[in-house]
Amino acid sequence: AQSVTQPDIHITVSEGASLELRCNYSYGATPYLFWYVQSPGQGLQLLLKYFSGDTLVQGIKGFEAEFKRSQSSFNLRKPSVHWSDAAEYFCAVGESSSGSARQLTFGSGTQLTVLP
Amino acid sequence: DAGVTQSPTHLIKTRGQQVTLRCSPKSGHDTVSWYQQALGQGPQFIFQYYEEEERQRGNFPDRFSGHQYPNYSSELNVNALLLGDSALYLCASSLLRNTIYFGEGSWLTVV
Repeated sequence: AQSVTQPDIHITVSEGASLELRCNYSYGATPYLFWYVQSPGQGLQLLLKYFSGDTLVQGIKGFEAEFKRSQSSFNLRKPSVHWSDAAEYFCAVGESSSGSARQLTFGSGTQLTVLP
Repeated sequence: DAGVTQSPTHLIKTRGQQVTLRCSPKSGHDTVSWYQQALGQGPQFIFQYYEEEERQRGNFPDRFSGHQYPNYSSELNVNALLLGDSALYLCASSLLRNTIYFGEGSWLTVV
């Protein structure tokens, strides 16, 4: 069965500092990987996704993530954090079938606090 | 282009009652999935509908059922509500390998 681990429950960074959120997954085949962001009381917004190809993926809002098969990781990075980035971040792995991502398995999330 | 829309936004039900939540997928999307997100946790997969059939199901009891209509819209039904069913219910739509989009969710409180 697939699983996702986000080791950091809560991360605090200063505005303008760099950010890295960790994500480790367990999946038997080539995974489909996603990062979503959720603001309080809101739904999930997709930041970026990896299906195949280039292992460094660019997303919205200046985020990027790198797929490392050898480490079963898909860490999210941003070079300079803005106060508006404060939110909950979820990593997810999608079961692939016939080229489509079926059920997503989410990690437990990392809460990001940004200090002024 | 409207995204995934869900209704109602918030609702309160009493234990033992039944609830129906609705979802309209993003235009052009034919696959709808439902997730339950308890407070402080990540979303958990309930089931997925494609071509009006339940294609895949997560680890949820039969009290949770769904339906997909010919226009791809979907409903989630929960019978015999328990306090533990209180959560944010998220609908997601997709088309093959395209991006999976989520709606804003329906907040269900069971009292």
